[in-house]
Amino acid sequence: NAGVTQTPKFQVLKTGQSMTLQCAQDMNHEYMSWYRQDPGMGLRLIHYSVGAGITDQGEVPNGYNVSRSTTEDFPLRLLSAAPSQTSVYFCASSYLRARPYEQYFGPGTRLTVT
Amino acid sequence: KQEVTQIPAALSVPEGENLVLNCSFTDSAIYNLQWFRQDPGKGLTSLLLIQSSQREQTSGRLNASLDKSSGRSTLYIAASQPGDSATYLCAAAFTTLTGANSKLTFGKGITLSVRP
Repeated sequence: NAGVTQTPKFQVLKTGQSMTLQCAQDMNHEYMSWYRQDPGMGLRLIHYSVGAGITDQGEVPNGYNVSRSTTEDFPLRLLSAAPSQTSVYFCASSYLRARPYEQYFGPGTRLTVT
Repeated sequence: KQEVTQIPAALSVPEGENLVLNCSFTDSAIYNLQWFRQDPGKGLTSLLLIQSSQREQTSGRLNASLDKSSGRSTLYIAASQPGDSATYLCAAAFTTLTGANSKLTFGKGITLSVRP
């Protein structure tokens, strides 16, 4: 049971480049989400999904796209990277309809946009 | 707006001390509250989750309580050790009109240093 995995662990992008942060979980969780963590701002929700084919915006969705074609995967796409997107990105997952509702987090992706 | 607050931002204690970390939230319609630990440069590790119907949860030297009426949760750490040094975050999931809500609202964390 690998839990929640994220790739890559580190990434440096130039302004305007695009990339996809990968997130996968093997716990058959319905709920998956993406957060960014910035100094002084804490963790903020970017996008979330309550099941395959269903996604919705969180607190800071601008500049990010998501899709959920399978229960296991929830990639986060940056279409045109900006320095303001320099951050640590965390993916999380949990059950929605059954206990435990505990959320499990991946190890994070550290992204720098120059 | 639903908010979660953790004060102070940092705390330093001598080894062996029992300590309480505080977390406050603005909406009493809380679904559950989760405490996490984060080591520098690492991800979040779940410590305890308290459902809205529960008053407290215990795991080893950790005890978390929830008081919905006062909008407060506390994480009690008994007999603190240097290995407990980390940032502790609380996060609340609030109930919505449509029912359960898994979206977490995080506090900014308390950075704990336990001195040998």
